[in-house]
Amino acid sequence: GDSVTQMEGPVTLSEEAFLTINCTYTATGYPSLFWYVQYPGEGLQLLLKATKADDKGSNKGFEATYRKETTSFHLEKGSVQVSDSAVYFCALSDDTSGTYKYIFGTGTRLKVLA
Amino acid sequence: DTEVTQTPKHLVMGMTNKKSLKCEQHMGHRAMYWYKQKAKKPPELMFVYSYEKLSINESVPSRFSPECPNSSLLNLHLHALQPEDSALYLCASSRSDSQETQYFGPGTRLLVL
Repeated sequence: GDSVTQMEGPVTLSEEAFLTINCTYTATGYPSLFWYVQYPGEGLQLLLKATKADDKGSNKGFEATYRKETTSFHLEKGSVQVSDSAVYFCALSDDTSGTYKYIFGTGTRLKVLA
Repeated sequence: DTEVTQTPKHLVMGMTNKKSLKCEQHMGHRAMYWYKQKAKKPPELMFVYSYEKLSINESVPSRFSPECPNSSLLNLHLHALQPEDSALYLCASSRSDSQETQYFGPGTRLLVL
């Protein structure tokens, strides 16, 4: 079945450091891929998405490229800020096999130190 | 208006109580969702409504009863819950139940005593 695997956290970085959070997926169809962010005490917010292979999603300095050959959708940011501290969820949505699925990874907690 | 609202923000209930969670969106979305999120875990899908009809029930116990009175509102009726049902309950909506972005509310934090 479909699944999403994220790197274990927590990830602790200094301000202005480079960020990578790995995400790989398995899917039987042609899913759309998403990164959501959850700040403490809040619901999830869409960070970026990609709907087909080689698409690059980007928002607020974050980027991720839909790589079908490696079944990956890694999140990157060139220079993190303290305000980026949150939990990041990779997710896939797939209804191409006729059954609707929306699956989240386990989440990666990011802590950015000043 | 790109907001999904949920009430109440916090709820404490006993195992014999009956309570309801409410969710509202005014984005014209035709799909709405209930998720359960335990601490330090990802959201788990419970129910999906598409065009006001229940389309997915992820084997959720009958003590949780969803209701979609109209295209803007989604309720979750709670009865005879167990302490292990304590969690953050998130509502979300999307344009359709296809591979769309979901917009989440802030959640209701539920504690069952």
